Amino acid sequence: DSGVTQTPKHLITATGQRVTLRCSPRSGDLSVYWYQQSLDQGLQFLIQYYNGEERAKGNILERFSAQQFPDLHSELNLSSLELGDSALYFCASSPRTSHNEQFFGPGTRLTVL
Amino acid sequence: QKEVEQDPGPLSVPEGAIVSLNCTYSNSAFQYFMWYRQYSRKGPELLMYTYSSGNKEDGRFTAQVDKSSKYISLFIRDSQPSDSATYLCAMSAYNTDKLIFGTGTRLQVFP
Repeated sequence: DSGVTQTPKHLITATGQRVTLRCSPRSGDLSVYWYQQSLDQGLQFLIQYYNGEERAKGNILERFSAQQFPDLHSELNLSSLELGDSALYFCASSPRTSHNEQFFGPGTRLTVL
Repeated sequence: QKEVEQDPGPLSVPEGAIVSLNCTYSNSAFQYFMWYRQYSRKGPELLMYTYSSGNKEDGRFTAQVDKSSKYISLFIRDSQPSDSATYLCAMSAYNTDKLIFGTGTRLQVFP
């Protein structure tokens, strides 16, 4: 158990819908990262937040957005969902002194029908 | 060409064997190198974290980084059936926290 929690474990929804994925980082970690894992693309970095502020963006679609709250939990919002958005979404957090040392949560499996 | 290349396997070995997993990369700015283990439908678990070149050992696992060849390896000694999983290499440059992952090598250790 990495100490990173994610909810829900599974989400099944329809095209065009909007969903919210939630993540709580390890105690003491200020950075939160979101990654997408699909069969064809592997693990891809989406976005990073540090202490409430956006720090870095990857190939995140405009339909996707995220935020980090004062209690440091983060939410990833996916809207206008398409079949191709079906994937595993992981959240990770890192210690203050070692940002590249990232610990991953159990993931949310999103299925878009 | 991908920034990080990793043979997808599967790699099938008998219990007790020494396993060698490898990744090559093209970006000379990479300074941090990680190995993750991922069981089916679970989150990646950080196994090894190294900075720059050299070796690092942790129990049955040894990570090696050769920056001159842009090549990293993970060795597993005395492999166990419980080591059966997908192993992902990851790396990042000095000025970013973004991890670039290999596609993963599926390892099967049979009794």
